[in-house]
Amino acid sequence: EVQLVGSGGGLVKPGGSLRLSCAASGFTFSSYSIHWVRQAPGRGLEWVSSISSSGTYIYYADSVKGRFTISRDNAKNSLYLQMNSLRAEDTAVYYCAREEGGRYSYGYWGQGTLVTVSS
Amino acid sequence: DVVMTQSPLSLPVTLGQPASISCTSSQSLVYSDGNTYLNWFQQRPGQSPRRLIYKVSNRDSGVPDRFSGSGSGTDFTLKISRVEAEDVGVYYCLQGTHWPPTFGQGTKVEIK
Repeated sequence: EVQLVGSGGGLVKPGGSLRLSCAASGFTFSSYSIHWVRQAPGRGLEWVSSISSSGTYIYYADSVKGRFTISRDNAKNSLYLQMNSLRAEDTAVYYCAREEGGRYSYGYWGQGTLVTVSS
Repeated sequence: DVVMTQSPLSLPVTLGQPASISCTSSQSLVYSDGNTYLNWFQQRPGQSPRRLIYKVSNRDSGVPDRFSGSGSGTDFTLKISRVEAEDVGVYYCLQGTHWPPTFGQGTKVEIK
């Protein structure tokens, strides 16, 4: 069974840092591009970042570029999102999602991890 | 960025009746490879999104056949032939043709 399990969320002060993780199982992790998508409380979905299967190609939304860093460790079947200089507007549930079935199409999603940026 | 506009934003429906959600893009979603990367997702209350449809009309495994997707170019539709109680939630379209990928605002489906 394909599983993506996110972790690492929590409460952080503005300007602080947090590192999210996404542990994958049930499939060949190194064969898939993985993305982070976030959802602010009561709001819609927003694409955040993506990393190709080998880690060669990395992309960020303008809203997080220069502050967030996506990475992966295929030996550990894990995806990461290092978030620095956090702002109140970064408060959201962060989902990791597996790309499949076409460009930027997400067949499997993790359960989400909540990041709250507040003083 | 490509803007995805959904309508309606709220859709009260009667059990057993059909429902239709529209999604319009600000640019054509036909990619250079000939495919159209338009997806539909369902998000039930308190759950992660779940993909229902990819590339306009391809239904995911396990998705009931009462869900169907159609459209081309800039205009797309998700139809539920007969709404069931488990269909309550928010539905999003997502375009993957143009970078960055962008979602519609979401359509909340509720039972009358």
